[in-house]
Amino acid sequence: EVQLVQSGAEVKKPGESLKISCKGSGYSFTSYWIGWVRQMPGKGLEWMGIIYPGNSDITYSPSFQGQVTISADKSISTAYLRWNNLKASDTAMYYCARLPSLNYGADYWGQGTLVTVSS
Amino acid sequence: QSVLTQPPSVSAAPGQKVTISCSGSSSNIGNNYVSWYQQLPGTAPKLLIYENNKRPSGIPDRFSGSKSGTSATLGITGLQTGDEAVYYCGTWDSSLSALVVFGGGTKLTVL
Repeated sequence: EVQLVQSGAEVKKPGESLKISCKGSGYSFTSYWIGWVRQMPGKGLEWMGIIYPGNSDITYSPSFQGQVTISADKSISTAYLRWNNLKASDTAMYYCARLPSLNYGADYWGQGTLVTVSS
Repeated sequence: QSVLTQPPSVSAAPGQKVTISCSGSSSNIGNNYVSWYQQLPGTAPKLLIYENNKRPSGIPDRFSGSKSGTSATLGITGLQTGDEAVYYCGTWDSSLSALVVFGGGTKLTVL
């Protein structure tokens, strides 16, 4: 069974760093893209960036370039999303999703990680 | 402002049919496959349609997708109260540093 399991909810202060994770199982982790999606409270879905764990090819959405860092450790089938300087505006639900190809769509999703940034 | 344009809301009665549109351009829908997602309240999105009109295993045939030119449409027949959700279209966009993009989402109300 394909599963993407994300790390738990986080509460952070502005200026702090954070790294959340997404562990894949039940499939070949290095053969599928993993994307990160932001959903701010009451708002729609936004693609942040995607990574191909097989070769660590990464593309960021222009809106998120330089704001976050996406990485993956294929030895433990886990993708990451990292912030170095959190802002209150980073408060959102973050989802990871698997893409069989860039033109296919995201066929499996993680359960989401709620990140709250507040002083 | 989303790259793909969807109506903010649609509504219909139980048992009826509804369509949700998704409008784009030649750099996205016009030259790429479209996928559709359902997000029920408080849950992660779920893939309903991929490659314009294909349904993943387990998705009932009440859900259908089509594409024409730079627009796509999601159709839902035999509406049920459990279909109340926000629906998103998505595709690849070659003009934005080549990335996947979503529409703004359409809230479906089953009256």
